[in-house]
Amino acid sequence: DTAVSQTPKYLVTQMGNDKSIKCEQNLGHDTMYWYKQDSKKFLKIMFSYNNKELIINETVPNRFSPKSPDKAHLNLHINSLELGDSAVYFCASSLTGEGDYGYTFGSGTRLTVV
Amino acid sequence: KNQVEQSPQSLIILEGKNCTLQCNYTVSPFSNLRWYKQDTGRGPVSLTIMTFSENTKSNGRYTATLDADTKQSSLHITASQLSDSASYICVVRPIGQNFVFGPGTRLSVLP
Repeated sequence: DTAVSQTPKYLVTQMGNDKSIKCEQNLGHDTMYWYKQDSKKFLKIMFSYNNKELIINETVPNRFSPKSPDKAHLNLHINSLELGDSAVYFCASSLTGEGDYGYTFGSGTRLTVV
Repeated sequence: KNQVEQSPQSLIILEGKNCTLQCNYTVSPFSNLRWYKQDTGRGPVSLTIMTFSENTKSNGRYTATLDADTKQSSLHITASQLSDSASYICVVRPIGQNFVFGPGTRLSVLP
């Protein structure tokens, strides 16, 4: 199936741990994103990657780092997890360039820090 | 500051009834506006996209309207079904900038 897939779907971990969330898309899109959806359901952009270059980096803690081994993958690494990091994290991808294209979202990863 | 507001925050209707969700934005300069449906535990899925020159766009039982002068949009759902229960998110894109997401309206359709 063509899609944006994230793993794991659920992640429960203790404060201070380091964890990663993986994302893969097979849509041939050239830009991938990470969004955080907080308890109030706002979706806030964290990072976007275009051709392995970070083109947007919102004011997120440097404990969060995106890693893109290739155009089809954008993984999110989080160091020294804090309680406030608990949220649902969405990966998305899109085509950029001429015209305007919507995002295709993954199903989300619910991170719970205890 | 670019912002998107939605109302109501939540809505409960009976199956078969119609409903209208509202979106107001202060995004500038305006490029386009989208409505997304987000089922519980899933990522958002695009329903409609509208540019500055479009007033109405339909996708099955979903009809979106746009008034670029008043910076308002609405999403009308006709003959609601149980599967319409979801969050509906209004997303506005300013030219050359990232999408701005609204907080969403949580719709519950009851039998």
